[in-house]
Amino acid sequence: SQQGEEDPQALSIQEGENATMNCSYKTSINNLQWYRQNSGRGLVHLILIRSNEREKHSGRLRVTLDTSKKSSSLLITASRAADTASYFCATDALAAGNKLTFGGGTRVLVKP
Amino acid sequence: DGGITQSPKYLFRKEGQNVTLSCEQNLNHDAMYWYRQDPGQGLRLIYYSQIVNDFQKGDIAEGYSVSREKKESFPLTVTSAQKNPTAFYLCASSPLSTPNYGYTFGSGTRLTVV
Repeated sequence: SQQGEEDPQALSIQEGENATMNCSYKTSINNLQWYRQNSGRGLVHLILIRSNEREKHSGRLRVTLDTSKKSSSLLITASRAADTASYFCATDALAAGNKLTFGGGTRVLVKP
Repeated sequence: DGGITQSPKYLFRKEGQNVTLSCEQNLNHDAMYWYRQDPGQGLRLIYYSQIVNDFQKGDIAEGYSVSREKKESFPLTVTSAQKNPTAFYLCASSPLSTPNYGYTFGSGTRLTVV
């Protein structure tokens, strides 16, 4: 089944720095979503970008989508220790019956 | 407050035993989903349901069963046929009438075989 794949698998940065992570997928999508998961908890929806959108912002988050390259990026600006979490991309595609398919995630550590 | 409640938070299963994980939502969402997450991994879909009394297998349905007798409830049974059930189980829901809407997740149940 289609799956987004995040890169890098892990990322360690200092507080105040920006964090960038990427997601690649295989087939055409309706939308792409990013989620955050704190250790041992459920996932929290961060942002959704539709296939006809190229960039979207939400607070300190910036998401881009390049459908020609089948890739997306999530940028967290001015990171804080509280941003320490795993971040997952998920794709919603007709081929998958409009169910979300998740990637393996990027583990982000923000050091104070 | 609206949300999804999963219980119990921790569950221990003996070999050969069936166990049932609870998932309840008061968001009036049509669709509900069960995912399995192994350590350091992403989520894999077990079962999903878009309407009461109907559900479909996901990518890893073997050894699991579900029911959807009420819109609010979507319990997952881990049967003795599931040979490696130790994992973190996440339930989610979403509205079908609102396109391009993210999922709402519960806080998860951690199942361990003892």
